[in-house]
Amino acid sequence: EAGVAQSPRYKIIEKRQSVAFWCNPISGHATLYWYQQILGQGPKLLIQFQNNGVVDDSQLPKDRFSAERLKGVDSTLKIQPAKLEDSAVYLCASSSLQSPKPNEQFFGPGTRLTVL
Amino acid sequence: GESVGLHLPTLSVQEGDNSIINCAYSNSASDYFIWYKQESGKGPQFIIDIRSNMDKRQGQRVTVLLNKTVKHLSLQIAATQPGDSAVYFCAEIPNTGNQFYFGTGTSLTVIP
Repeated sequence: EAGVAQSPRYKIIEKRQSVAFWCNPISGHATLYWYQQILGQGPKLLIQFQNNGVVDDSQLPKDRFSAERLKGVDSTLKIQPAKLEDSAVYLCASSSLQSPKPNEQFFGPGTRLTVL
Repeated sequence: GESVGLHLPTLSVQEGDNSIINCAYSNSASDYFIWYKQESGKGPQFIIDIRSNMDKRQGQRVTVLLNKTVKHLSLQIAATQPGDSAVYFCAEIPNTGNQFYFGTGTSLTVIP
């Protein structure tokens, strides 16, 4: 079974520029999550999708961050414009209510963003 | 918001020794806890989970203990190996939903 795919793996941009990250969850997983992991900290949930609907985006900085999962499969997270404090690893995870452990989230390798 | 914290940010152990990683949580109504392992450059990987109605759960070389009285969670790794070197996170899931709250993490270094 293929894991969660993310691209790009690394991105360096200057502040005020825009950036987009892509995630393809495990096939059949209806729930998709985006996390922000700042160096030395645990992942912080940004947004959670159930199929193509948003379940929780309470911690998403909506003035600059946006995410979509239009067809309920892959997802894109965008930052526009980026700030220095956005430098972090952006992790995508997916889960399925039909799996033996429905609460288990499977994580992708992450995209490391550096904002200069 | 929820608060999940770890007692020690770093831990070094000799290869073959047992490791104990601790975690404190704040929400006594949390229903489910998971330990994740994160190696450098990779996403977190599930290790073991435990529900709030249990005190102990064992896996392969790992044991999770839950003390609800003091809201404390620990991960024990038996016969620690170099491949166990990573950052370990505990995550808490309140019974109000399935959002994870991750702690800061403990960096485990295994000395050969």
